[in-house]
Amino acid sequence: GESVGLHLPTLSVQEGDNSIINCAYSNSASDYFIWYKQESGKGPQFIIDIRSNMDKRQGQRVTVLLNKTVKHLSLQIAATQPGDSAVYFCSWGSGNTPLVFGKGTRLSVIA
Amino acid sequence: GAVVSQHPSWVICKSGTSVKIECRSLDFQATTMFWYRQFPKQSLMLMATSNEGSKATYEQGVEKDKFLINHASLTLSTLTVTSAHPEDSSFYICSASNSQYYQETQYFGPGTRLLVL
Repeated sequence: GESVGLHLPTLSVQEGDNSIINCAYSNSASDYFIWYKQESGKGPQFIIDIRSNMDKRQGQRVTVLLNKTVKHLSLQIAATQPGDSAVYFCSWGSGNTPLVFGKGTRLSVIA
Repeated sequence: GAVVSQHPSWVICKSGTSVKIECRSLDFQATTMFWYRQFPKQSLMLMATSNEGSKATYEQGVEKDKFLINHASLTLSTLTVTSAHPEDSSFYICSASNSQYYQETQYFGPGTRLLVL
């Protein structure tokens, strides 16, 4: 299930299940969105991106959905594995503004 | 793929000293480099954006005289925390892009953990 901690919401899923991580972004003028994965003590790692002229983009085991009407972004991870355990950040920006990072969600995979 | 390194990976220093952190793009030329700081269990906060050969652009609330950024070449940017204090203790992360446009992908370094005693 999903819970909200002091700073970081946490999503716990069983290994093999699908994960859905949600993000609300604030700038309606944003035209570029990226999901990053950050493991403990490491820098963020690019997962997948999407531009504002699309509402869905698929990668390997990951899908990003964009709903510009409600300024919502989601990351779906299929068949979640223990190696997927990390903090996931959405980010948004445009050609003339730097990326802004969301608060992050900790994904915990239960083996 | 594009690799960005940071050095050192962690540093402990005494209050009042200055600390320099290096960020290098190893296999591409970084037109733009970004410096972030991250507190535990929080998100990344952009500190400044630097383009090679020009002065860095600092975000609101970031003291440019305290956090000196130099982007002397297309593969190296440095962040110097001057007169560090315990409240400067944080995880500092750089990223690099081979584009002048923000919307192009940034490649992140592994981060530098700074502890000021």
